[in-house]
Amino acid sequence: EAGVTQFPSHSVIEKGQTVTLRCDPISGHDNLYWYRRVMGKEIKFLLHFVKESKQDESGMPNNRFLAERTGGTYSTLKVQPAELEDSGVYFCASNRGGETQYFGPGTRLLVL
Amino acid sequence: QKEVEQNSGPLSVPEGAIASLNCTYSDRGSQSFFWYRQYSGKSPELIMFIYSNGDKEDGRFTAQLNKASQYVSLLIRDSQPSDSATYLCAVSAGGTSYGKLTFGQGTILTVHP
Repeated sequence: EAGVTQFPSHSVIEKGQTVTLRCDPISGHDNLYWYRRVMGKEIKFLLHFVKESKQDESGMPNNRFLAERTGGTYSTLKVQPAELEDSGVYFCASNRGGETQYFGPGTRLLVL
Repeated sequence: QKEVEQNSGPLSVPEGAIASLNCTYSDRGSQSFFWYRQYSGKSPELIMFIYSNGDKEDGRFTAQLNKASQYVSLLIRDSQPSDSATYLCAVSAGGTSYGKLTFGQGTILTVHP
């Protein structure tokens, strides 16, 4: 069984540009989560999808971040426009429900 | 006050020793408690979870939970150099936030031969 995959693995962009991160959860996992770790800080929750619906988006930092999960399969997280403080590692995780969350390898985003 | 606190370390133990990792949390409504291991540049990997007060053992790992003290710990027996990693404590509140994990900053563990 394939694990959670994320694309790209790394992204370097300039302040003001747009970046879109993609997450493919484990097949059959209805729950999909986005987390972020900025330098020197703990991993922080961004939001939680159940299928295509946003269950909890309390961790989204501001309206420059837009997450979608059309069709309840893969998800995208768009940052527009990117700011310097958005730099960090963005993790995606998935599970069936009430189980262990399986994490992807992360996307390392650097905003210059 | 941070929601989940861990000693960032680094914690250094000799091979074969017991490594003790500690975590405290502030939300008394927390329902589930997790220990993840993260190697440098890799994704967090679940080691153990615990829901009830007391001890839970899995191989060389033992998780301990004390809800009254809002304290959870992880013991690693017979530590190996391959156990060297960052250990992340995470808690879940349950209810409408059942999926959300709140992480501590992580404890860096080094097991030296």
